[in-house]
Amino acid sequence: DTGVSQDPRHKITKRGQNVTFRCDPISEHNRLYWYRQTLGQGPEFLTYFQNEAQLEKSRLLSDRFSAERPKGSFSTLEIQRTEQGDSAMYLCASSSPDLRGAFFGQGTRLTVV
Amino acid sequence: QKEVEQNSGPLSVPEGAIASLNCTYSDRGSQSFFWYRQYSGKSPELIMSIYSNGDKEDGRFTAQLNKASQYVSLLIRDSQPSDSATYLCAVRAGTASKLTFGTGTRLQVTL
Repeated sequence: DTGVSQDPRHKITKRGQNVTFRCDPISEHNRLYWYRQTLGQGPEFLTYFQNEAQLEKSRLLSDRFSAERPKGSFSTLEIQRTEQGDSAMYLCASSSPDLRGAFFGQGTRLTVV
Repeated sequence: QKEVEQNSGPLSVPEGAIASLNCTYSDRGSQSFFWYRQYSGKSPELIMSIYSNGDKEDGRFTAQLNKASQYVSLLIRDSQPSDSATYLCAVRAGTASKLTFGTGTRLQVTL
């Protein structure tokens, strides 16, 4: 399978716990994006990487969120001290250097109880 | 004003008809435009991209772009029940790499 891969697919956590998600992009893609989507809304931009550099981070992203992309390969998104409002689908996407569209993984559905 | 606006729908069309989905954007510097299809509970799937004014056709799908009016549309010919989904418009502004999405239009194709 050469598509974008995300793990886990589902995560249920208690409020206040930390969670970490992983994304493996399409191998030749140097750009990687994280989005969050809630019911009835479009994907909301969180952050993106070009290779290992984090080039942009949404102002909406609180200090509880951090993302890394060591060595420009896979990426992780960590949410510390989760809140119920963090419940959403977290989507990862990647694109090639020609920027011709971004391709999404299957997402990680987070439920904070 | 939202950066990318779409009518949330639902847009209901009978099977075999043409579905017309519309999107407006606010940033005149936008250069790349995309349509994604999203089935309920699934992630968005890229179906069309368009970069210059005019029409671009791919099978039953036609994307239309009018930069002067800041307007993008997607036409789906011979609509099928399997086309029932939410269609997301996404815009990439200038050299910035992120895609900005609209809220999506839900399409229902009825038998």
